[in-house]
Amino acid sequence: GAVVSQHPSRVICKSGTSVKIECRSLDFQATTMFWYRQFPKQSLMLMATSNEGSKATYEQGVEKDKFLINHASLTLSTLTVTSAHPEDSSFYICSAPPSRGNSPLHFGNGTRLTVT
Amino acid sequence: GENVEQHPSTLSVQEGDSAVIKCTYSDSASNYFPWYKQELGKGPQLIIDIRSNVGEKKDQRIAVTLNKTAKHFSLHITETQPEDSAVYFCAARPNTGNQFYFGTGTSLTVIP
Repeated sequence: GAVVSQHPSRVICKSGTSVKIECRSLDFQATTMFWYRQFPKQSLMLMATSNEGSKATYEQGVEKDKFLINHASLTLSTLTVTSAHPEDSSFYICSAPPSRGNSPLHFGNGTRLTVT
Repeated sequence: GENVEQHPSTLSVQEGDSAVIKCTYSDSASNYFPWYKQELGKGPQLIIDIRSNVGEKKDQRIAVTLNKTAKHFSLHITETQPEDSAVYFCAARPNTGNQFYFGTGTSLTVIP
């Protein structure tokens, strides 16, 4: 089945630094990828939709300059948390929608970001 | 847009008992309903799904039912085991676009 690989699984960084998270579709092409943020014991909060070859679409309230998204190819999307602060600590998950309708969304295994 | 509600938020059952999680959706155009299981520190994994032209689907101990008229769908887990303990999310996808809308999750605990 379709596999989405997300890296790294865990990262600890200092305040003020930037962190890049990669999301790859391993055996299918993804023109679109979704990025979610998940707080403890809460649901998935859609942050943005990355689109290959064009600008990402951000959800209301998500800072574009804080969370930079690049969809460089049909198999790779990246999320960069810039000038990270402790409040950015969270679990970030990427996913890729199916190439055909009525198929499941494929999720990466998430990245636990801790900003100290 | 679509609005998905999920109940209960937490559920504890004895091992061997059944667990039922219910979701409702608002957009009659939604035609695909997957269920995901998320274990601690991991991404959600699909466990079962149902399409709008089907009323029920079963896969071993897991079943999903869909009532299109009432706009609700449910996950049923029978003969629960401790390894079923996780957070479960329902989702709905309208027939336009590729966006999925998620419920708020149910934390299931199976007590040995």
